[in-house]
Amino acid sequence: GAVVSQHPSRVICKSGTSVKIECRSLDFQATTMFWYRQFPKQSLMLMATSNEGSKATYEQGVEKDKFLINHASLTLSTLTVTSAHPEDSSFYICSARDLARGSNEQYFGPGTRLTVT
Amino acid sequence: GDSVTQMEGPVTLSEEAFLTINCTYTATGYPSLFWYVQYPGEGLQLLLKATKADDKGSNKGFEATYRKETTSFHLEKGSVQVSDSAVYFCALSTEPYNQGGKLIFGQGTELSVKP
Repeated sequence: GAVVSQHPSRVICKSGTSVKIECRSLDFQATTMFWYRQFPKQSLMLMATSNEGSKATYEQGVEKDKFLINHASLTLSTLTVTSAHPEDSSFYICSARDLARGSNEQYFGPGTRLTVT
Repeated sequence: GDSVTQMEGPVTLSEEAFLTINCTYTATGYPSLFWYVQYPGEGLQLLLKATKADDKGSNKGFEATYRKETTSFHLEKGSVQVSDSAVYFCALSTEPYNQGGKLIFGQGTELSVKP
């Protein structure tokens, strides 16, 4: 139980284009999902908290207009990197909390490797 | 602010050696504490957790005890295997579930186990 998927697992895009990453909770409902960014050999940096049916809450220093987050249902959140640049290349990981459990435990997706050329 | 500090890696051990990865925290209130493991190229998996002082979390031979007096949550395993090679993250959460519940991660400790 408590499986989170991400799609795609890897994506290469050209500079200036946009790319969408999906995060799905497969066997539970998640009112809250989180998006993280991870650089090689570093810890996870929380980018934003995504709440179903409302606007995402972005961490300080994260550009809202560049990293668009939509949480349209209890099982799906999307992160769109707009006008991507090489410095946006990174490993993006989402996580979700199980609504039914009522705890702070987060279940993580397998991550998406974004490379911007 | 709240923070988590882990021992620096990489940690290199021989198979069947004893493992300790230190984790200390600073937090207001009473956090929940977690250990996550990340295998190469993958997302994070919850390894174990503890939600109150003196709780011991355990899973797959790993264990950690929530020590409020020393603000620590050290990860231990009696006999490591090559398959335990991964990066281990200590994390805490102080926010109540209905007020965000963000996790704060330590910097991660890379473990390499040699045959």
